[in-house]
Order: sequence, then C-alpha cells, then structure tokens
Amino acid sequence: DQQVKQNSPSLSVQEGRISILNCDYTNSMFDYFLWYKKYPAEGPTFLISISSIKDKNEDGRFTVFLNKSAKHLSLHIVPSQPGDSAVYFCAANAAQGGSEKLVFGKGTKLTVNP
Amino acid sequence: EPEVTQTPSHQVTQMGQEVILRCVPISNHLYFYWYRQILGQKVEFLVSFYNNEISEKSEIFDDQFSVERPDGSNFTLKIRSTKLEDSAMYFCASSEDGLAGLVQETQYFGPGTRLLVL
Repeated sequence: DQQVKQNSPSLSVQEGRISILNCDYTNSMFDYFLWYKKYPAEGPTFLISISSIKDKNEDGRFTVFLNKSAKHLSLHIVPSQPGDSAVYFCAANAAQGGSEKLVFGKGTKLTVNP
Repeated sequence: EPEVTQTPSHQVTQMGQEVILRCVPISNHLYFYWYRQILGQKVEFLVSFYNNEISEKSEIFDDQFSVERPDGSNFTLKIRSTKLEDSAMYFCASSEDGLAGLVQETQYFGPGTRLLVL
C-alpha cells in the first residue's frame, strides 16, 4: 500500500545550492500535505505544509509546491545548509474525508556537503 | 517552544510481556496519536484518540493494543503481550484540534520510544 511515494532514497547536494525533494501520491482524497524532517534517534519534526487549495507555500528557505493534477509535490530548500542533512518525509492526510491519520512516504535522506 | 515528550526512550522486554509507553502531549492539544516505525520501513499510523475515546485505528491496532489518557497530561499505549514483530520506534503525536470543523491540523511528534522485544 504505497499511497505516498518518495522514489529517491537519497539526495546529495552542495552547500548553497538548491535541494529538491519529490513526493508522489495516489489517493485523490488527500487534501493536506506535510513535510517532516527527521534526525537519527529523534522524532519527525514538522517543517512545512500545504493544503490542496493552494499550489505553493513558502516559509523562509523552504517552499513546497503542489501539482494536484499530477498528484505530485516537492520541497525546495534554498540555499541548502549542512544542518539540513537529515531524512525528509512526505506525509498526507485526507482531513476532509474524515481521516485523521497521516500516511507517510519512505523518506529521502538528504546530505548537504560543505 | 512546547513539545511532545515520551518515556522511556528505550525499552527492552521479553516476548509475551506487557509494556506501557508513555507520552505527554502538548498541553493545549486535543487530539493524540500513536505511530510506529519498524526499522527500515515507513512510519505507520496506529491510532488516534479524542475526547477520551479512539477516533480512528489502523488494522495494526489489534486487541493486543490499547490506549488511555489516565490523567490530564499523560497518554499511554499498552501492548498486552508483546511479540517479536512489535519491535519498533513508537512515536506519539498531538494536534491542536484534529478534525474539529474539518480543519487541517499539523501533528507534532515526540522523540519516540525504541522498543525491543526479545
């Protein structure tokens, strides 16, 4: 049951460059999407979210883009910093459909090289 | 900044034993959740809890599992008779309002409890 897919298990970028993390979903009932960042031995930390009524949400260096027709979202980090190195999880929720659960992707490990 | 806390950070138990994992959600939050992550796999939803009752649960959350809010601050997950396959990181999360008014609320996660069943 892979309703949320992160097809790249890892990504490596240079400090100062853009990091683009991708996420695809299959469930058209999803209407709220979140990105979480996770360091080893810690819990997921909320980064940024987007509602399905929007196509972009920006918070500082982080921007999430949503393409509903393609069922695709992406997280852009500009400029990337070594402290951004972590596993990034995409998650989705069908709030308007009455579900509270978050469905997670498998995660993408981002490494930002100095 | 308010955060979700969990105890213990690590728990080792023998197969068949009962374990209780504890969480203190963010104080003004009304919805509480448990998730787990088996090593190398996705974070999976177990259960959500609102107004002192389960509001949603996954197929993983069978009769071996139960949740409780024993007082005004703690939220617990009990596994009655642990199995080897229960070994995982267990994450507690909370959100301010859950589905009240069908508002999309962000869930904030605790640091997790690593459970190892031998």
